[in-house]
Amino acid sequence: GAVVSQHPSWVICKSGTSVKIECRSLDFQATTMFWYRQFPKQSLMLMATSNEGSKATYEQGVEKDKFLINHASLTLSTLTVTSAHPEDSSFYICSAARGTGGSETQYFGPGTRLLVL
Amino acid sequence: ILNVEQSPQSLHVQEGDSTNFTCSFPSSNFYALHWYRWETAKSPEALFVMTLNGDEKKKGRISATLNTKEGYSYLYIKGSQPEDSATYLCAPEGPGTYKYIFGTGTRLKVLA
Repeated sequence: GAVVSQHPSWVICKSGTSVKIECRSLDFQATTMFWYRQFPKQSLMLMATSNEGSKATYEQGVEKDKFLINHASLTLSTLTVTSAHPEDSSFYICSAARGTGGSETQYFGPGTRLLVL
Repeated sequence: ILNVEQSPQSLHVQEGDSTNFTCSFPSSNFYALHWYRWETAKSPEALFVMTLNGDEKKKGRISATLNTKEGYSYLYIKGSQPEDSATYLCAPEGPGTYKYIFGTGTRLKVLA
């Protein structure tokens, strides 16, 4: 159990277009979902935390108008990169947790590699 | 928690060798520590979550220990196998925020 899918796994887009990435918990209900970004040779960096039915909480330095997060159900969260630019090229990965408390295990998707031309 | 360090960054071992790596984090502002195994093109797999000083967890040939007073955790792999080849990530979790702060990982390659 605790499988998280992410789609698409790869996306190439032109500068100025928007890209939507989906994150689904397949066999459990995710109270909380997280979105991370990883640049080459760096660690996974938390971008935002979202709870079902409420607005996402963004980390310092992450533009909420640039990275739109929707957590419409207990099994689906989406990240939309609006008006993507080459500097947004990165690896994006989501995770989902059953609860909201401490020491809760996050279950990760396989990630999405975004290349903006 | 601002600074999480994992060492070594990478290592190669022969099949059958035992190995260990370190995750260091500030000992203050700590709530829990998570270890993940991440194989290329797959999802990171949760290995352990530890909260108490002196905690020791084991899963098959992999085990981990936690020292919250000095701010480190060790991950051990006994009798490494090629299928153990992966990047091992640690992520301390701060109190109240319940957010993970990831290290850059230790990339392990087990040679057959």
